[in-house]
Amino acid sequence: GNSVTQMEGPVTLSEEAFLTINCTYTATGYPSLFWYVQYPGEGLQLLLKATKADDKGSNKGFEATYRKETTSFHLEKGSVQVSDSAVYFCALSGGAGGTSYGKLTFGQGTILTVHP
Amino acid sequence: GAVVSQHPSRVICKSGTSVKIECRSLDFQATTMFWYRQFPKQSLMLMATSNEGSKATYEQGVEKDKFLINHASLTLSTLTVTSAHPEDSSFYICSAKGGKGATDTQYFGPGTRLTVL
Repeated sequence: GNSVTQMEGPVTLSEEAFLTINCTYTATGYPSLFWYVQYPGEGLQLLLKATKADDKGSNKGFEATYRKETTSFHLEKGSVQVSDSAVYFCALSGGAGGTSYGKLTFGQGTILTVHP
Repeated sequence: GAVVSQHPSRVICKSGTSVKIECRSLDFQATTMFWYRQFPKQSLMLMATSNEGSKATYEQGVEKDKFLINHASLTLSTLTVTSAHPEDSSFYICSAKGGKGATDTQYFGPGTRLTVL
């Protein structure tokens, strides 16, 4: 079946530091890949997505590239802000595993804390 | 963007009672809704997928008689935890999407914190 593995957290950075959160996946076929963010006290929000190999998703300064050869979808941001402090989830849907209706398989989440 | 609400946001109940959680899509019609459970510092675990007007599809290991899901309309799905026990205490999150494609965006509710005493 499908699975997603994220780097262990928590991650603590100073403002303006470079961020990478690693994400690798296991799936047959061609899944779609997502990054969701959960700010304190709020629900998950879609941050970015990529639907085919070599696609780059980007939003709010965050980027992730769908790498089929390494089965990865690492999240990056060049300069983080305090307001980026949140939990970040990598997820996938689809693929030949037959996940119907686009149900998502999530990674375990990575807590990011950015200090001023 | 699309908004999904959940009610209540928090609920405390006694062991043995039943609790109903509502999930509503406020500004779009949700053909599919999902129910997740999130344990502290852990990922979201999909419990079931529900499509409007049909029976929910439960994930392996999820007791369908304990977690009753009703998707009665295109804007409302309910999760009823029957005969709740302390081990059912958790954060329950719903999501909704308007299409059936794998790339359609799911919009998440803010979650419901259930505490069973």
